[in-house]
Amino acid sequence: KQEVTQIPAALSVPEGENLVLNCSFTDSAIYNLQWFRQDPGKGLTSLLLIQSSQREQTSGRLNASLDKSSGRSTLYIAASQPGDSATYLCAVTTSSASKIIFGSGTRLSIRP
Amino acid sequence: DAGVIQSPRHEVTEMGQEVTLRCKPISGHDYLFWYRQTMMRGLELLIYFNNNVPIDDSGMPEDRFSAKMPNASFSTLKIQPSEPRDSAVYFCASSFYGEPNEQFFGPGTRLTVL
Repeated sequence: KQEVTQIPAALSVPEGENLVLNCSFTDSAIYNLQWFRQDPGKGLTSLLLIQSSQREQTSGRLNASLDKSSGRSTLYIAASQPGDSATYLCAVTTSSASKIIFGSGTRLSIRP
Repeated sequence: DAGVIQSPRHEVTEMGQEVTLRCKPISGHDYLFWYRQTMMRGLELLIYFNNNVPIDDSGMPEDRFSAKMPNASFSTLKIQPSEPRDSAVYFCASSFYGEPNEQFFGPGTRLTVL
């Protein structure tokens, strides 16, 4: 059974710092991996999607990496801003291609 | 496009009452997903549809929960009878066949069962 873990559960850093969020999964037979952002009281917004054949994806100040063999992914946020404060969820899709399994998220707070 | 639309945004009901949550997916999307989010269990997939047909309902907690998709533009999630432990935020998401995993989420319905 696939399990997705995100550590730490919460993180607070001063504005301007570069930071890394971690995600691990137990079964390396994934179809793809996604990082989502969730603002309080809102739905989820997809940030980056990495196919199983890819090693990383970049969007602006965000860079996500994928290492299937070790069951790990990282989300790197450069030059953090207060607007980056949100909960970030990692999710993997099983080989069945449509069922997504989410981690419990990391609640990120950027201090001005 | 207005995105995925869910209604109501908030629902407060008493134990034993029937609750119906509604979702309108993005036009042209042929996958629709219902999720439940709680502090204890995180975000869980309840059921998903492809072309209005339920594909996997293994996440539906028990017989009190049912979901329907009578057409491509509308889906309901019904709880009857509701219980306090059903209190959660329920999300609907939709995606397109070409990239089924790129799901677009609605704003959610916050359900409180007293």
